[in-house]
Amino acid sequence: GAGVSQSPRYKVAKRGQDVALRCDPISGHVSLFWYQQALGQGPEFLTYFQNEAQLDKSGLPSDRFFAERPEGSVSTLKIQRTQQEDSAVYLCASSRPGTGSTEAFFGQGTRLTVV
Amino acid sequence: AQTVTQSQPEMSVQEAETVTLSCTYDTSESDYYLFWYKQPPSRQMILVIRQEAYKQQNATENRFSVNFQKAAKSFSLKISDSQLGDAAMYFCAYFRIQGGSEKLVFGKGTKLTVNP
Repeated sequence: GAGVSQSPRYKVAKRGQDVALRCDPISGHVSLFWYQQALGQGPEFLTYFQNEAQLDKSGLPSDRFFAERPEGSVSTLKIQRTQQEDSAVYLCASSRPGTGSTEAFFGQGTRLTVV
Repeated sequence: AQTVTQSQPEMSVQEAETVTLSCTYDTSESDYYLFWYKQPPSRQMILVIRQEAYKQQNATENRFSVNFQKAAKSFSLKISDSQLGDAAMYFCAYFRIQGGSEKLVFGKGTKLTVNP
């Protein structure tokens, strides 16, 4: 497809369950970002990849959060032992690297609800 | 650390009228980019307009324009001839590159309602 694709669109997890969220960036986009958006808030940065290299993971809230992009294209955000405070929309974005003159394209997000 | 503040949680405008959304930011850098994104209920963030800090001229995109006041660190969005389809959450964002990383820092957003 032409845009950033995320799956699943919705995920309900029982507390303590592990989840995996997938992001398919736009083909050829080197930079990939994950953001967490709580209800009624702006997106908060989680992590940044340039190709397969995770250059910044300063926004990951705990060691239960793990992201990977092994071949420099598809990325997976994994949350272990989910807790209620993990409930949020998880947005993925991709862009060409470098300056802010390049537009970041966002997917439609995955809404995670932990019950 | 860079912060972005949107002081209007909600705004409303009559169809065909003009509305201005406010944004202030804090940075010590001299060169940066600022963005306004629109997020409809579908959740997909859509770029509305961008501004390079080194450009004095305010950016415009059709009905959307910005008032960029670098010294005051202010970046407001003006929507002219508002349409029903403009109703959405609007987020102001600051783009930073530091230490090999790049990221967008978002404000908390303004919910815009357009009344017919």
